Amino acid sequence: GQQVMQIPQYQHVQEGEDFTTYCNSSTTLSNIQWYKQRPGGHPVFLIQLVKSGEVKKQKRLTFQFGEAKKNSSLHITATQTTDVGTYFCAGNTDKLIFGTGTRLQVFP
Amino acid sequence: SAVISQKPSRDICQRGTSLTIQCQVDSQVTMMFWYRQQPGQSLTLIATANQGSEATYESGFVIDKFPISRPNLTFSTLTVSNMSPEDSSIYLCSVGGGGPETQYFGPGTRLLVL
Repeated sequence: GQQVMQIPQYQHVQEGEDFTTYCNSSTTLSNIQWYKQRPGGHPVFLIQLVKSGEVKKQKRLTFQFGEAKKNSSLHITATQTTDVGTYFCAGNTDKLIFGTGTRLQVFP
Repeated sequence: SAVISQKPSRDICQRGTSLTIQCQVDSQVTMMFWYRQQPGQSLTLIATANQGSEATYESGFVIDKFPISRPNLTFSTLTVSNMSPEDSSIYLCSVGGGGPETQYFGPGTRLLVL
């Protein structure tokens, strides 16, 4: 069946360092979404990418959708302690499949 | 975005019993989804609930174990039946638009089965 994998599984960074998580789907996607889940919280929608090669920015966050629409990345510039949480991509074909997630820890 | 509430927020249950989780949305929505998130894991879709029709279950989930009701466009319930410790998870409802679009999640129900 369709799989959506993310790497790395965990990332610990010092505050101010950059962070990137990568998302890979086994199948071509119609769109991809990114969610953030704070510790003890529920997933919160961040963004949706639809077009091949699309790049979107939200302040310090940059999201990219691959040309083949099978992979995506989330890059955070100059991390802050408020960025702590697990970041999930979710690939869309006929249903939403969540990636394995990347847990980000930021040390002050 | 929709405002979603879930009851109970958490529960501790004995094996062999059943628990019904309620999900209430502040606006009418076509599709509601139920997910399970085991500790430290990703989200797995259990079923999709449309008002006026039977829920559609994903592979590995069956109606006898996870019966779902969807009596109107703002409410749904998920029952976890004949629970075992393996059912200990967070159960999340979410709502979306008229297709697999962006989803908004409820706060979740944290279930521990002893």
